[in-house]
Formats: sequence, structure tokens, C-alpha cells
Amino acid sequence: GQQVKQSSPSLTVQEGGISILNCDYENDMFDYFAWYKKYPDNSPTLLISVRSNVDKREDGRLTVFLNKSGKHFSLHITASQPEDTAVYLCAAGGQGGSAKLIFGEGTKLTVSS
Amino acid sequence: EAAVTQSPRNKVAVTGGKVTLSCNQTNNHNNMYWYRQDTGHGLRLIHYSYGAGSTEKGDIPDGYKASRPSQENFSLILELATPSQTSVYFCASGDVGGDAETLYFGSGTRLTVL
Repeated sequence: GQQVKQSSPSLTVQEGGISILNCDYENDMFDYFAWYKKYPDNSPTLLISVRSNVDKREDGRLTVFLNKSGKHFSLHITASQPEDTAVYLCAAGGQGGSAKLIFGEGTKLTVSS
Repeated sequence: EAAVTQSPRNKVAVTGGKVTLSCNQTNNHNNMYWYRQDTGHGLRLIHYSYGAGSTEKGDIPDGYKASRPSQENFSLILELATPSQTSVYFCASGDVGGDAETLYFGSGTRLTVL
């Protein structure tokens, strides 16, 4: 089964609004959680990541919330801009030092002006 | 700046043929990865490696082999290519589970199997 799942394949947000992207995972041994951004015909690049010892991390307009008991993490983008339009991939891994990183299916975010 | 280089960028192969995708990294990362990207599936892990001489199966290894002859190079081999292996393949390096957790991806190889 899908170990890391993004249930929303797409999301549209008005410019200036808050984009909320969600990710669920199955393996409660995961201790590393990340969000990658991918433009069409480009490679994914890391946006923000957290370890399981924190439940929130902020970086500018980006905030990651981690709910370990619910096996859920989310990415909030405030003041969304048209250039935020991209595919967002969540990823989880690092269980017991493993190098394996599992990605979700991706959510296509469109910020309309 | 971290650098991961894939070759070729595009490849057309025939069913039953052998295909080798190459990846080189200059980051001195221990770990390297091969993913494929398909609509509706995101990135799926095929094989990965902890260092020279090591290869590990990912989530979808069937039909693929991997080779890590050195710290810098990691190849993905399709011995008998099939149309279902038509996809975009991404190589990455990083040290997830270690101190440097970011994965650095190459530009991707678009493979079409006819």
C-alpha cells in the first residue's frame, strides 16, 4: 500500500490566501518529514523539513505542522503568490537511520491572481 | 552548489532492449537514489545505495538493476525494457538519516520504450 499519501491531487488558492497541503503516512517509525517543490520539466527541490522531535517549524511564509499521533503533517504557505504554483511532494523516512525516503503522489497547487 | 548529473536526458528504446541510465554526483554524499515519476504516483523509489559497492531494493525494483561502482556514480539498468517502463527517471544524492538530509536531484531522464 501507499506508505505516504497526499489525498488531494490539486488545490486552487487565491493570491494572498493561505495554501494548506496535507500528507498522511502509515509507518510510525518515520522520523523525518519533508516537503519538496517541483515545477514542470524540472527536478524536485527541498522546501522545508522537520524531525519528529518538533511539531512545528517555520521558515518565512512556510510552516510545517507535524501530528505524530495522527500520522499526519501539513505545509502552510501564507500570502500565496502566483510563483508558488507548482507540484508539492511530501516525503517521509529516516526510520532508524534508514536512508529510504518515500514520497507522496503530489498535490498540484495553483495560485490564481 | 550540489551537483547531480544524469545522462542521457532523453532516450528512446525498443521493447526487449537493454537500457542504462547514468548518474554522477559531486556532493560526496554516501547515499544515492533512483526514482521514477508517473502521473498519479509521484516519485517511486526503485533502488538506492549506501555507498560504493552497495545497492538496496526500493519499493518497485522489479525489472531494474542498479550498480554503484564508486562514490560518485550510480547506474540504473533495464536488462529487458518494456513499455510499462516508459517514465521520467530521477537520480538523487543525499544523506537522509544522517546529518545532511536534503536530497539533491538530477534533471531527469525521459525514457520512452516502444
